[in-house]
Amino acid sequence: GESVGLHLPTLSVQEGDNSIINCAYSNSASDYFIWYKQESGKGPQFIIDIRSNMDKRQGQRVTVLLNKTVKHLSLQIAATQPGDSAVYFCAENAGGTSYGKLTFGQGTILTVHP
Amino acid sequence: DGGITQSPKYLFRKEGQNVTLSCEQNLNHDAMYWYRQDPGQGLRLIYYSQIVNDFQKGDIAEGYSVSREKKESFPLTVTSAQKNPTAFYLCASTTGQGTGQPQHFGDGTRLSIL
Repeated sequence: GESVGLHLPTLSVQEGDNSIINCAYSNSASDYFIWYKQESGKGPQFIIDIRSNMDKRQGQRVTVLLNKTVKHLSLQIAATQPGDSAVYFCAENAGGTSYGKLTFGQGTILTVHP
Repeated sequence: DGGITQSPKYLFRKEGQNVTLSCEQNLNHDAMYWYRQDPGQGLRLIYYSQIVNDFQKGDIAEGYSVSREKKESFPLTVTSAQKNPTAFYLCASTTGQGTGQPQHFGDGTRLSIL
């Protein structure tokens, strides 16, 4: 999972396996969370989001789980493919006066082996 | 296609020089953001603008300046006061409906020192 520091966490999986990427967020007032995928040399691409009144949300091949009690967010990718290889970031928004401002985690490098 | 366009893709700065990074969006979004990304780290907010002719400092605004004269444009100037400008710069935008909306990103400008 993501943590403070200069070395990105890494996750290596085989093609077809399920992947779980974890994120610990810092602000208990955060009410909106997003997962992004970033490929080398490109900007982050939106994957899925979830609001704090939910604990689970599913998309196509992806599921986000939110545990507010322990301030933990996870992204599950089903049947991981080589094209899923990228850096994955979680981001949180504290709501209120922070108006759309996102705080990003450090990222996790996902490598999918054929 | 609607999206965010950043230019140039690569930029080189000489000592003592100011350089300006362009960000244009045709998504009709009210809010725009500039982030800096360093290797092995997440995105850090430089400046943001919720509406035309208004902008706010982010977490690392020193050495940078912005303007927001048009809704679709949010240029970032890296001034000579920014002593460590080498980084990947990302522009994002979102609808002006407060929190709970994902930010959409351009593909970034990589700035290096000559």
